[in-house]
Amino acid sequence: GENVEQHPSTLSVQEGDSAVIKCTYSDSASNYFPWYKQELGKRPQLIIDIRSNVGEKKDQRIAVTLNKTAKHFSLHITETQPEDSAVYFCAASVDGNNRLAFGKGNQVVVIP
Amino acid sequence: GAVVSQHPSWVICKSGTSVKIECRSLDFQATTMFWYRQFPKQSLMLMATSNEGSKATYEQGVEKDKFLINHASLTLSTLTVTSAHPEDSSFYICSAKSATNYGYTFGSGTRLTVV
Repeated sequence: GENVEQHPSTLSVQEGDSAVIKCTYSDSASNYFPWYKQELGKRPQLIIDIRSNVGEKKDQRIAVTLNKTAKHFSLHITETQPEDSAVYFCAASVDGNNRLAFGKGNQVVVIP
Repeated sequence: GAVVSQHPSWVICKSGTSVKIECRSLDFQATTMFWYRQFPKQSLMLMATSNEGSKATYEQGVEKDKFLINHASLTLSTLTVTSAHPEDSSFYICSAKSATNYGYTFGSGTRLTVV
C-alpha cells in the first residue's frame, strides 16, 4: 500500500523566515496531494493541495511543489507568523483517489 | 464551502457502554465517509471507509464488531463504539467526500474518554 513519509518531525523557525516540510510517497498511481494544518484538539484544515498534472501551486504565503519522478512533494510557508504554529500533515491519494494516506505530521513552531 | 458537522464534540462514558458519533454533511452529498482515530501527538489512522448504502470496509486490525459504521444516507454516517474500554479513548474524526469533488471535508472531531 501507499507509504507516506514526512520530514522533519519538528521544525522551529524565527518569525518572518520560511519553513519547508517535505514528504515522500511510494505509490506512483497517487494523483492528489493535500496538506492539512491541525491545531491542538481541532480538525485538520486543508491549506493547499495539488494534483499530479501540476508541478507547483501557490496561495499567498503557502506553496506546494510536486516532483512525480522522485515521488516527493513539499510545503513552503514564507514570511512565517506565530499563528502558523501547528501540526502539518501531508497526504497522498490511494486506491484511485478514494482514500488518503497521511504522513506522521510535523510540529512547526514559529518563534516570535 | 463544504461543511461536515460532527457530534458530540466530546463524550465521557463508562467501560462497557456504547457511544454513537454522528457526522452529517450539511451542503453536499457525502458518497464516501472515512472514519479516523487519532491518538495524542500522532497522525490520523484510517479505521474504515464507507460508501452510502454499502457495508463499510475496515482497515486491518480494526474490529468491525466493535466499531459499527452506518452510512444509510448521503448526508449521515455514524460510528458506534460498542463495549467501550479505556484503550478506546481517543480523538475520532470523520471525513466526507463527494462523487463530484476530489476534496475531503473533515468533521470537527469527537474526544472520547472511557472511564
